Amino acid sequence: KNEVEQSPQNLTAQEGEFITINCSYSVGISALHWLQQHPGGGIVSLFMLSSGKKKHGRLIATINIQEKHSSLHITASHPRDSAVYICARVPPTGTASKLTFGTGTRLQVTL
Amino acid sequence: KAGVTQTPRYLIKTRGQQVTLSCSPISGHRSVSWYQQTPGQGLQFLFEYFSETQRNKGNFPGRFSGRQFSNSRSEMNVSTLELGDSALYLCASSLSPLYEQYFGPGTRLTVT
Repeated sequence: KNEVEQSPQNLTAQEGEFITINCSYSVGISALHWLQQHPGGGIVSLFMLSSGKKKHGRLIATINIQEKHSSLHITASHPRDSAVYICARVPPTGTASKLTFGTGTRLQVTL
Repeated sequence: KAGVTQTPRYLIKTRGQQVTLSCSPISGHRSVSWYQQTPGQGLQFLFEYFSETQRNKGNFPGRFSGRQFSNSRSEMNVSTLELGDSALYLCASSLSPLYEQYFGPGTRLTVT
């Protein structure tokens, strides 16, 4: 079993829909990182959070430490949101660099 | 501020050769990490450097090595290339190891 599990693996939505991507982890963390990867490979850091909720534009990330679960929400989805979304565990070992990644959720938003 | 830059962006090598990839972090960032992404294994941590010292290393064979220079620029080297080393190699930088990382565009290595 992977330390970091994501669901769903693939997601297709229509423009304007509310989207939720889930991430569960089985071992301790100091924080959880949400990343976005577009075709071509470049990765953009969306959020790093260790508790509660963070919001940036139409993106919202939440984390429940007790339940070892985090969600990424996209409100009013748009075709430009089409990408792979990856969550990554930041270990509680004094570094935010040694990330353990989920397998990613491939999101396609259609018109 | 310029982002993380990686050179070259694309590379084709033959089995048995060696390769060196370069990463220039965001100005002021002193921590650099390297990751490998393959279709089969996904994203995996390679190593982390801070102030010219390797702080952490992932589960990769000794053929994979790296270093960091006094200006925080980093290089990674893969010797005796194998077909399975074909991957996207990503570099990320941060102010220090405890801070959020920012990723470069990656170097796509193809080994034939």
